[in-house]
Amino acid sequence: AQSVAQPEDQVNVAEGNPLTVKCTYSVSGNPYLFWYVQYPNRGLQFLLKYITGDNLVKGSYGFEAEFNKSQTSFHLKKPSALVSDSALYFCAVRDWNTGNQFYFGTGTSLTVIP
Amino acid sequence: EAGVTQSPTHLIKTRGQQATLRCSPISGHTSVYWYQQALGLGLQFLLWYDEGEERNRGNFPPRFSGRQFPNYSSELNVNALELEDSALYLCASSLEQGANYEQYFGPGTRLTVT
Repeated sequence: AQSVAQPEDQVNVAEGNPLTVKCTYSVSGNPYLFWYVQYPNRGLQFLLKYITGDNLVKGSYGFEAEFNKSQTSFHLKKPSALVSDSALYFCAVRDWNTGNQFYFGTGTSLTVIP
Repeated sequence: EAGVTQSPTHLIKTRGQQATLRCSPISGHTSVYWYQQALGLGLQFLLWYDEGEERNRGNFPPRFSGRQFPNYSSELNVNALELEDSALYLCASSLEQGANYEQYFGPGTRLTVT
């Protein structure tokens, strides 16, 4: 069973508009959730995480994400998109029930149109 | 502070040969993870080492193996290479203390099997 899902392979947004990249998870208990970004020909960079506490977490480059336990979602958001935000975004969950394993989504390609 | 480093950057092998990939974690990090990122398949978890021990492995055949050295650097070995092993292999390290469970990734090793 897929532990984390990113339902959109591609998201296009105009520069200056708000952006949302969706992520849902399916692990039980209290998951640790993460967002990473991958720029072309580079490794993944950590953006933000939810461990516990406030459901709205803020991260690097103006990104934020909201943990919603009832909807098992952890969507990534930014109020105003920049062209430089164009990249591949991965959601990840740490599942304490399966030997502490990390599961990554298949990634969402974000294109910000000037 | 130096990030996660991986070597070599590129590796070209022929089918049936063995490949060895190396990773040095961020100073102070004791955990090392290996992932395979094949085109269109997202990140697939391979192996997790912590304090010199293999803690978990993903759904890969035994010809994928590795080890972690006393200085926490790690090596991934792939024996009897097959064409479908061609992928970007990413190494990540984490601190595994307090709330510091996020992974920091290296730039990857691009393995091409011909």
